[in-house]
Amino acid sequence: GQQLNQSPQSMFIQEGEDVSMNCTSSSIFNTWLWYKQEPGEGPVLLIALYKAGELTSNGRLTAQFGITRKDSFLNISASIPSDVGIYFCAALNYGGSQGNLIFGKGTKLSVKP
Amino acid sequence: NAGVTQTPKFQVLKTGQSMTLQCAQDMNHNSMYWYRQDPGMGLRLIYYSASEGTTDKGEVPNGYNVSRLNKREFSLRLESAAPSQTSVYFCASSAPGRLDGYTFGSGTRLTVV
Repeated sequence: GQQLNQSPQSMFIQEGEDVSMNCTSSSIFNTWLWYKQEPGEGPVLLIALYKAGELTSNGRLTAQFGITRKDSFLNISASIPSDVGIYFCAALNYGGSQGNLIFGKGTKLSVKP
Repeated sequence: NAGVTQTPKFQVLKTGQSMTLQCAQDMNHNSMYWYRQDPGMGLRLIYYSASEGTTDKGEVPNGYNVSRLNKREFSLRLESAAPSQTSVYFCASSAPGRLDGYTFGSGTRLTVV
């Protein structure tokens, strides 16, 4: 089946550093999403990307939809302690089955003050 | 506050017991989903309901049943719990054509002993 390969699995960084994570697949998607999950909570949508090549920012977060439609990356600039959590990429081919939003396995981010 | 409400938040079951996880949304969304989250596995779709009156299997449906009781409520039932079903369960909902409206509940942590 379709799979999203998300890397890295975990990151330990110093406050103020920039962070980069990415998601790749052998399949083509027409929508990429990035979610953040904090301990004890469900995932919350950070950024949605709907067009190949699209670059979108949300505060210190920037995400891009790869031109091949098979990948996406998320950057966090000047990290702060509240950035701690698990970041998930997700992808979908809209127009198909309602249930085919699939998730990467997550990148666990730890930030040292 | 508007959103997705899951109950209970925590549950411990003995092997072979049955239980129902409840989910309700008040955003008038058509589609609802049940995911399970296991360490290192990301989020995997168990069942989904594209609209009231319909349900479909996701990636890992074995051992579960669902009921879309009405537009607001989507329940997940474990008829005979097994230790392999120890997990964190998330319910989500979305409006048609609004992928940025994919909203998750805060989860049910289930332990089967």
